[in-house]
Amino acid sequence: DTEVTQTPKHLVMGMTNKKSLKCEQHMGHRAMYWYKQKAKKPPELMFVYSYEKLSINESVPSRFSPECPNSSLLNLHLHALQPEDSALYLCASSHGRGSGVYFGAGTRLSVL
Amino acid sequence: GQNIDQPTEMTATEGAIVQINCTYQTSGFNGLFWYQQHAGEAPTFLSYNVLDGLEEKGRFSSFLSRSKGYSYLLLKELQMKDSASYLCAVQWVPSGAGSYQLTFGKGTKLSVIP
Repeated sequence: DTEVTQTPKHLVMGMTNKKSLKCEQHMGHRAMYWYKQKAKKPPELMFVYSYEKLSINESVPSRFSPECPNSSLLNLHLHALQPEDSALYLCASSHGRGSGVYFGAGTRLSVL
Repeated sequence: GQNIDQPTEMTATEGAIVQINCTYQTSGFNGLFWYQQHAGEAPTFLSYNVLDGLEEKGRFSSFLSRSKGYSYLLLKELQMKDSASYLCAVQWVPSGAGSYQLTFGKGTKLSVIP
């Protein structure tokens, strides 16, 4: 089983809303990632959690706030987003070195 | 920073073989991934090379030369459903960081024609 589950699949929100994206994996992976992907561009790394601790933040604006409640769950809290934040948000997980990195189906976010 | 280069587009005929190249320059290199991505969908893991040589998985093979900073993905017996973007991604460890990072190339859009 190489499944990473993301919810919701689609999300439309206004610039004043607060919403959260959720990601879950039960593969025992200790590294979890958030990526952002705009149309016709490759995925860009936002955050890396390693053993439930934030290890990499790629200078992401504070309106994106990640959270790792436990080793299976990863959240991305959204607040006061801008229309240019509309994109596909991908969660991924891996054991770490020497193993595959598996992606969820993504959440397609539209900010109005 | 990481510099990953792959062709933007390629076209190949159904039933043929196609090779998609990827060159990279990176520090802290740990391995190289290939992903397939259909429009509007998430990337699907195809292969991972950490040592030099060829890894074969059915119709897909991937090769790595660490000394040359070079990899390729070979697709055999092409099918129409293979039309997709193919992303080369480098796994590396940033200096001082305790975890691995995956950085993607811009992707190669492959069109398979009858």
